[in-house]
Amino acid sequence: AQKITQTQPGMFVQEKEAVTLDCTYDTSDPSYGLFWYKQPSSGEMIFLIYQGSYDQQNATEGRYSLNFQKARKSANLVISASQLGDSAMYFCAMRGVPGTGGYNKLIFGAGTRLAVHP
Amino acid sequence: NAGVTQTPKFQVLKTGQSMTLQCAQDMNHNSMYWYRQDPGMGLRLIYYSASEGTTDKGEVPNGYNVSRLNKREFSLRLESAAPSQTSVYFCASSPTENEKLFFGSGTQLSVL
Repeated sequence: AQKITQTQPGMFVQEKEAVTLDCTYDTSDPSYGLFWYKQPSSGEMIFLIYQGSYDQQNATEGRYSLNFQKARKSANLVISASQLGDSAMYFCAMRGVPGTGGYNKLIFGAGTRLAVHP
Repeated sequence: NAGVTQTPKFQVLKTGQSMTLQCAQDMNHNSMYWYRQDPGMGLRLIYYSASEGTTDKGEVPNGYNVSRLNKREFSLRLESAAPSQTSVYFCASSPTENEKLFFGSGTQLSVL
């Protein structure tokens, strides 16, 4: 069975500093995809970044980067130069490999609430 | 550019009442999903539809039914609402199964 674990219920960071949000996953599938979503207080889910299990390089999207350590089964989100607008819930998610029960299911971790202080 | 549209945004039901949550997407996506979000538990998949004409159970399907009416629309029905179904419900879609999800704005449902 696939599982996503986010061990940090809440994180604080000073504006303009970098912050790392942890995500570990468990799967027996050789191929999978990892996603990060942001949920601000308004409630919508905003896609941030994607990493495929066979991607050679860590994914980056602007101020977001994914520290992907396959051997450790971790996919931590790094936000550089934090802004007040980054205050939100952040969810890590995983999709399984085609042909398995996990393929069509994007499963989510419990989330980490990030607060950016001025 | 509407994206994924859910209705209603808020709903209060009494135990035992039924209702249908509506979802429509205008992005010509093949796959659609229903999730529920409870505090401290992230999002859990209720049902999904990989393509028009197919539906499958997710992690927490009990108490729900779905209908993939056409490529655009995917509805979620609560036949006999229970307080345990109080949650925020999200509809989502993706171009195919292996791509990112686009979410609707959510429906806050309270069952008294």
